[in-house]
Amino acid sequence: SYELTQPPSVSVSPGQTARITCSGDALPKQYAYWYRQKPGQAPVLVIYKDSERPSGIPERFSGSSSGTTVTLTISGVQAEDEADYYCQSADSSATGVFGGGTKLTVL
Amino acid sequence: QVQLQESGPGLVKPSETLSLTCTVSGGSVSSGSNYWSWIRQPPGMGLEWIGYIYYSGSTNYNPSLKSRVTISVDTSKNQFSLKLTSVTAADTAVYYCARALPSNLPANWYFDLWGRGTLVSVSS
Repeated sequence: SYELTQPPSVSVSPGQTARITCSGDALPKQYAYWYRQKPGQAPVLVIYKDSERPSGIPERFSGSSSGTTVTLTISGVQAEDEADYYCQSADSSATGVFGGGTKLTVL
Repeated sequence: QVQLQESGPGLVKPSETLSLTCTVSGGSVSSGSNYWSWIRQPPGMGLEWIGYIYYSGSTNYNPSLKSRVTISVDTSKNQFSLKLTSVTAADTAVYYCARALPSNLPANWYFDLWGRGTLVSVSS
């Protein structure tokens, strides 16, 4: 089955840049999406189509793609950005898949 | 604006069927190009896509759950539903309903709207 691989955790100090990667064999042909999930809350879309930002999401959130890896970048990290982040995509059969999630800790 | 709300029993016995409903308000479950979806999250773990029903009625399920899952839509009530049969403790999770939108790529879609989730525990 198709898998997306994320690092379990990333830690940064406030004001620094956090980068969270997601790797998958189909990513060169499929868009990836990123969700932020805070404790006890439903996930929220923060990046769609690899690098587009929904309305209401701060400009410090950006996305990029290179080969089999997509990256979520959070510039000038703030304490409120501490959360779990998940990438999501689909295989050629439209079967959905999530990465395992990355816990972002703001030191 | 469109909102989603899950409802159903919070406790299901092993081997029985888990049944949840998602009520769509502020919009129509029959509106075009929407994939009405279910996702779950076991306590302390990551997200798992369960499946979706397209507005036309076609479905697509996670292969790992396909033999036990049915997603249906009731346009008269503006709801869509999940049934998961033969549940075990491993099916204990927060269950989310969500709206997925297609991208401009084939077989590619994403979740733009989520319900708040409902915890379902499987225990005797």
